[in-house]
Amino acid sequence: DTEVTQTPKHLVMGMTNKKSLKCEQHMGHRAMYWYKQKAKKPPELMFVYSYEKLSINESVPSRFSPECPNSSLLNLHLHALQPEDSALYLCASSQDSSLDTQYFGPGTRLTVL
Amino acid sequence: AQTVTQSQPEMSVQEAETVTLSCTYDTSESDYYLFWYKQPPSRQMILVIRQEAYKQQNATENRFSVNFQKAAKSFSLKISDSQLGDAAMYFCAYRSAAPGAQKLVFGQGTRLTINP
Repeated sequence: DTEVTQTPKHLVMGMTNKKSLKCEQHMGHRAMYWYKQKAKKPPELMFVYSYEKLSINESVPSRFSPECPNSSLLNLHLHALQPEDSALYLCASSQDSSLDTQYFGPGTRLTVL
Repeated sequence: AQTVTQSQPEMSVQEAETVTLSCTYDTSESDYYLFWYKQPPSRQMILVIRQEAYKQQNATENRFSVNFQKAAKSFSLKISDSQLGDAAMYFCAYRSAAPGAQKLVFGQGTRLTINP
């Protein structure tokens, strides 16, 4: 089973709202990733967690705050976002961050008004 | 830094025909991994095929196969007997095999249309 789940599927929020995106995998993977994808563009890496520790932050603005409560769960907390943050947010996981294939979830379509 | 180039923004093929999507990459490393991912309108990125650079044999997965030319830094994807469900955006991606390497480098994508 190579399933990564993400909730919600769609999210609309105002610039003053606080919301969270959730990602879950039950494959025993120890690395989890957040990507941002704008329309007709490839995904852009935002964060990597390896063994529940943040290992990469691709200079992402602090209005995006990742959290990895346990090895199966990854959250992305959103606060004071801008309209240009509207995008598809993809979560991925891999067995080990450096060796294995990344498997992606279906994404959350975020719209910031 | 590594780069991945997909020179065909759009391709189309008749159902049941064969189509080849191009991908070239630039790296100074000798050990790495290459991937093709498919992203249909449902948005989920689905792994199509993976190739380890140290393997000379081209990877195959059912109707999908690659032509990996390491010296030319080329990694094309061939889809045989195209089906309507193959319609999607296809991304070529590179990842270093160096210890601690975690980043996938994506090409800009090729949108594939299947004509019935």
